[in-house]
Amino acid sequence: QKEVEQNSGPLSVPEGAIASLNCTYSDRVSQSFFWYRQYSGKSPELIMSIYSNGDKEDGRFTAQLNKASQYVSLLIRDSQPSDSATYLCAVPPSGAGSYQLTFGKGTKLSVIP
Amino acid sequence: ETGVTQSPTHLIKTRGQQVTLRCSSQSGHNTVSWYQQALGQGPQFIFQYYREEENGRGNFPPRFSGLQFPNYSSELNVNALELDDSALYLCASSLKTGIETQYFGPGTRLLVL
Repeated sequence: QKEVEQNSGPLSVPEGAIASLNCTYSDRVSQSFFWYRQYSGKSPELIMSIYSNGDKEDGRFTAQLNKASQYVSLLIRDSQPSDSATYLCAVPPSGAGSYQLTFGKGTKLSVIP
Repeated sequence: ETGVTQSPTHLIKTRGQQVTLRCSSQSGHNTVSWYQQALGQGPQFIFQYYREEENGRGNFPPRFSGLQFPNYSSELNVNALELDDSALYLCASSLKTGIETQYFGPGTRLLVL
């Protein structure tokens, strides 16, 4: 059974600080990883995808992947109150022909003005 | 906005009843996935439809069933509702060739009393 683990939080950071969100996964052969943002009462929105070891930057967001440690993280620089949301880590199956995502429980982030 | 629509937005049912939820996929997307998200949890995969055929199923009992129509819209049917079926039901559409293009609709919030 594939597992994706996240610290449920809440994680509180002051405005302007760096927020660090972490995710571990159990399937050693997983090749791609996704971060979704979900505002309260809303549906998940894809914000980052990463496929290779190392860092991937997109604006204030940086995804970091370490396949050897089965660990993926999301850094949010210059955190804003509008970043307050639940961040979901998601991993698709490693087999071909099936595209469902396995999600972690999510980490709730609060950015304090 | 992702272009994926769901109806109804909210629904209240009693235990033992049946419910049908509907989803219209984003234009050009031929794959629809359904997820159940209980409060405080990440979305859990129910099943996926590709070109009107079921293309994968999660760990849900047979009373959860679905359909996809020639225009790629989809229905999720749940029979014999239980209290634990209370959740946000999310529909996501995608091109089968690109899991990162999985776009979520706004969801249907179901409450079973």
